[in-house]
Amino acid sequence: KAGVTQTPRYLIKTRGQQVTLSCSPISGHRSVSWYQQTPGQGLQFLFEYFSETQRNKGNFPGRFSGRQFSNSRSEMNVSTLELGDSALYLCASSRTAEGLTEAFFGQGTRLTVV
Amino acid sequence: AQSVTQPDIHITVSEGASLELRCNYSYGATPYLFWYVQSPGQGLQLLLKYFSGDTLVQGIKGFEAEFKRSQSSFNLRKPSVHWSDAAEYFCAVGASGSSNTGKLIFGQGTTLQVKP
Repeated sequence: KAGVTQTPRYLIKTRGQQVTLSCSPISGHRSVSWYQQTPGQGLQFLFEYFSETQRNKGNFPGRFSGRQFSNSRSEMNVSTLELGDSALYLCASSRTAEGLTEAFFGQGTRLTVV
Repeated sequence: AQSVTQPDIHITVSEGASLELRCNYSYGATPYLFWYVQSPGQGLQLLLKYFSGDTLVQGIKGFEAEFKRSQSSFNLRKPSVHWSDAAEYFCAVGASGSSNTGKLIFGQGTTLQVKP
C-alpha cells in the first residue's frame, strides 16, 4: 500500500513569491492535514481537509491556504513568501472517524525562502 | 488549552541500554496519544498509539508506552536500544470532538543519541 506522497521534496523560492505544495494521501484516506515544522516553533498544525471541505484551521495568517480535490489529493499554497516561511511542510492522511486522528505522514517538502 | 511537554530535549544512551522518553500532556478529557519518530530529513513514522483500554500499549520496533492518567503522562520505553534508534521522537495528543478533527498537538521533541 503506497504511503503519503508529497511533491516536490525540495523548493527554493524568493521572498514575495508564492508556492504550491502537493499531497497525495493513502488510498482510502479522506482526511488530509498539513503541518509546518521549524526548529524554533516545532510542529504546528496548519489546517485539515475532509471531503473537499476545510474542517479545522490552525493559527496561521491568511497567506496560508489549501484545498482538497474529489480524489482526496490536497494542495497548500503560501502567497507573498517571507523568510520565516522556510520550513519543512508535512502532510498527513487519516481514514478518520469523528475526532480520531491517527495520522500517517509523508516525507515532507523542504521550503527555503531566500 | 491542550499541550504536550517533553521535558528532555536531548538524551544519550549506550547501545543495549534501556530507554525511557518522558511525555506529559494537558487535556481535559481522555486524550488520544501518539508517539512518532523522525529520522533526519524524513517525515514522521507512527510508533504507537493509545485511544482507550489497556494502558500499556505495544508499538513497532520494540517500543512500548504506558498511559498514566493520574500523572498525565505517556512515557515511551524500550528495553534495549539499537544504534538505528537514534532519531527525534515526538509525543502528540489528538483532540476529540468535531471541532478538533485532524489536529495533533506535538511536544517539542526529544533527540536520542546512541553511543556505541
